[in-house]
Amino acid sequence: EVQLVESGGGLVKPGGSLRVSCADSGITFTDTWMSWVRQAPGKGLEWVGRIKSKIDGGTTDYAAPVKGRFTISRDDSKNTVYLQMNSLKTEDTAVYYCTAERSCGGGSCAYYWGQGTLVTVSS
Amino acid sequence: EIVLTQSPGTLSLSPGERATLSCRASQSVSGTYLAWYQQKPGQAPSLLIYGASSRATGIPDRFSGSGSDTDFSLTISRLEPEDFAVYYCQQYGSSPTTFGQGTKVEIK
Repeated sequence: EVQLVESGGGLVKPGGSLRVSCADSGITFTDTWMSWVRQAPGKGLEWVGRIKSKIDGGTTDYAAPVKGRFTISRDDSKNTVYLQMNSLKTEDTAVYYCTAERSCGGGSCAYYWGQGTLVTVSS
Repeated sequence: EIVLTQSPGTLSLSPGERATLSCRASQSVSGTYLAWYQQKPGQAPSLLIYGASSRATGIPDRFSGSGSDTDFSLTISRLEPEDFAVYYCQQYGSSPTTFGQGTKVEIK
């Protein structure tokens, strides 16, 4: 059974930093593209960014609102993906979900989801 | 980026009824790379449909997806009590991937 477990959420002041983690079990982590999706309170889903597997280049992509402030990295030896968030704004307040992507009819979609971790940016 | 517009915003139906949800894209979705997710209150989303019409592992056959180009739909043939939830569409054919704003299926 695939399990993605996020941790590291919490309360942070505007302008501050936070790193959230996502540990995986049940998938071949090294071959898997991992992404982060967030959901502001009472709102819909917003893609944050993705990191490809090292065999596919290990490159990252980010949504425009977080580009330059957020960094996604991975440690394949620990089956863990990280989301480093800097220069946080109040509008970054959300539940952050880690997802594991799989081939979905040719393209890559969010096949497995973690339970989410809440990040609150407030003074 | 591709904007996905879901309709209706809320669908009020009774168990046993048929639900039809719509997802319209602002541009053609490459390769029918369109997915549907279900989110129950307090839970993470879960994948239902990918490639516009393929069911994910373990998804019952009362869920079906169809469509191409800019118009897609999700149909739940007979609503079960556990199907009352919010449904999101997502296109993953063009970067950045984008989600629709969601359709809530509520008990009438």
